[in-house]
Amino acid sequence: KNQVEQSPQSLIILEGKNCTLQCNYTVSPFSNLRWYKQDTGRGPVSLTIMTFSENTKSNGRYTATLDADTKQSSLHITASQLSDSASYICVVRFSGGYNKLIFGAGTRLAVHP
Amino acid sequence: GAGVSQTPSNKVTEKGKYVELRCDPISGHTALYWYRQSLGQGPEFLIYFQGTGAADDSGLPNDRFFAVRPEGSVSTLKIQRTERGDSAVYLCASSPQGTRDTQYFGPGTRLTVL
Repeated sequence: KNQVEQSPQSLIILEGKNCTLQCNYTVSPFSNLRWYKQDTGRGPVSLTIMTFSENTKSNGRYTATLDADTKQSSLHITASQLSDSASYICVVRFSGGYNKLIFGAGTRLAVHP
Repeated sequence: GAGVSQTPSNKVTEKGKYVELRCDPISGHTALYWYRQSLGQGPEFLIYFQGTGAADDSGLPNDRFFAVRPEGSVSTLKIQRTERGDSAVYLCASSPQGTRDTQYFGPGTRLTVL
């Protein structure tokens, strides 16, 4: 079954600290993996997208890594800010027969002052 | 507008009623997607349009759900005989050409079925 599992489910960190969010997937065949940020009451906004041949992709203080062999990805946030408080959703594109995005449940991050 | 817009932002209805949710994609985007997001969950795919046609409607949960995009731009998601379990945020997204592109999401419509 094509699934995307994220951990932790929720996380609280202090402003200025770093954190890493995990994503494991069983989607196959796999085309690309994306991380989205979703603020409360808003639609998701794309942060990064990586194909199976890419190991890392950065977007400002956000760095995503991908290990296509172990089917794992991580999103590292550096020097967190209060505005980083949001849900971070890992999305894997399934490319077998039809093109569909499979979403994880997200990690809810709260950054406290 | 610059982004995807959805109306209404909130909709409260009674069980058994019919509702329509509207999505205005980014101008020029040929691909349009509908998702449903329950509290604490990631979005769940419902249907994907390429132009005027539904390229993939495998996510629609049952025949009470129907979506149209008659002119290849605005789309309407229609839910008949609403049930309390239909309560969720309905997200619309668009992308320039297809599923390989980044999807740009609207703010969603929060549907509450009493």
